[in-house]
Amino acid sequence: SQQGEEDPQALSIQEGENATMNCSYKTSINNLQWYRQNSGRGLVHLILIRSNEREKHSGRLRVTLDTSKKSSSLLITASRAADTASYFCATDMDSSYKLIFGSGTRLLVRP
Amino acid sequence: SAVISQKPSRDICQRGTSLTIQCQVDSQVTMMFWYRQQPGQSLTLIATANQGSEATYESGFVIDKFPISRPNLTFSTLTVSNMSPEDSSIYLCSVEALQGLSGYGYTFGSGTRLTVV
Repeated sequence: SQQGEEDPQALSIQEGENATMNCSYKTSINNLQWYRQNSGRGLVHLILIRSNEREKHSGRLRVTLDTSKKSSSLLITASRAADTASYFCATDMDSSYKLIFGSGTRLLVRP
Repeated sequence: SAVISQKPSRDICQRGTSLTIQCQVDSQVTMMFWYRQQPGQSLTLIATANQGSEATYESGFVIDKFPISRPNLTFSTLTVSNMSPEDSSIYLCSVEALQGLSGYGYTFGSGTRLTVV
């Protein structure tokens, strides 16, 4: 079953603009991860944020985590056409090592 | 980080038949995970495969429909049995692995796109 929801479901922006995606989850977590999927292929790991962290950066990516609100956001700055993909958040809830995925956001970056 | 080779990349199968999907990892891993992604949907965990023991299935998935083998620490197969059109999905395997400077995360196979006709 899905852990939570992401919004928006779809996002269309112009190249160079920033893209923000939000993820909400339902239970306590060890960490939250973000993945990208191009055209229904395999997923690529983007970034992991632990439950005791509030913000993390990796290149053009910025992730925040608010455990009190059970929510996270992914910001992609200065977007490029190559960023067009589906983005999923996934939570690692306990020591079972299972990932539970959110519903995903489809991002389209227009050249 | 780990590299996973997943085969086949796609297949079109007749209903009532079975398809076996293979995943080969370039390093030894304790657990391998199998996911299903129905068209336009997110990923749903099917089962966790540990070497030397029965796979652990998630609610809604049963061994008779999705038998899994895990003969060693680098290889696993998932079989989709007695297929129906509702089984048309992308199937992915995954392992936990170091993700470069990002720390640990999960590496995924490239997926098997299954169409049942």
